[in-house]
Amino acid sequence: QVQLVQSGGGVVQPGRSLRLSCEGSGFTFNSYVMHWVRQAPGKGLEWVAFIRYDGTDENYADSVKGRFTISRDNSKNTLYLQMNSLTAEDTAVYYCARGIGMALIFQHWGQGTLVSVSS
Amino acid sequence: DILMTQSPDSLAVSLGERATIHCKSSQSLLSSTFNKNSLAWYQQKPGQPPKLLIYWASNRESGVPDRFSGSGSGTDFTLTISSLQAEDVAVYYCQQYSQQYYPTPRPTFGQGTKVEIK
Repeated sequence: QVQLVQSGGGVVQPGRSLRLSCEGSGFTFNSYVMHWVRQAPGKGLEWVAFIRYDGTDENYADSVKGRFTISRDNSKNTLYLQMNSLTAEDTAVYYCARGIGMALIFQHWGQGTLVSVSS
Repeated sequence: DILMTQSPDSLAVSLGERATIHCKSSQSLLSSTFNKNSLAWYQQKPGQPPKLLIYWASNRESGVPDRFSGSGSGTDFTLTISSLQAEDVAVYYCQQYSQQYYPTPRPTFGQGTKVEIK
């Protein structure tokens, strides 16, 4: 079955960096668009970024553009989110998600990982 | 960005009764490319990631019970739980994935509707 297992996350000071990982299994990883979606504590869902199946195209929410970078290593079936210049507003549970074709539908989700930005 | 507004914010329904959640988008979600509405519904239980229920407004995801159904077109959409079960207690989100902004997509979610047992 499809599994997305996330790692990384934790407590980080404002202005610092953090990298999240998401390893996929149970499907052909290099055939799917992948996404990051976040959820601030007690709040709703916010799409963060997506990357094309072959890594040739990516796109970001305005709130993270220029600070976050989505990437993937298809040889390792792993998706990444490099987060730089973190602020308190980035505090959230971050989920990786697998898409359906090129439509931004989030079909399968990782378990989520908490990123807490605090001094 | 397309604004998604759900109503109500919370809903209490008796077991076995119908629950109806509404979602309104600020722009039409009818895709001229696919002739389908770019609208999905998710269920999120406490401490869990969201789960896809419905996509293209009315397509039920594999494994989702048939008591869940989606309807609507253009800017107005509805998620219906025909006979509420205890395991349906959750927050439900609608999400648009319009191709309008392609190649810079801007998917957005509604604020969520909390469904509880009366």
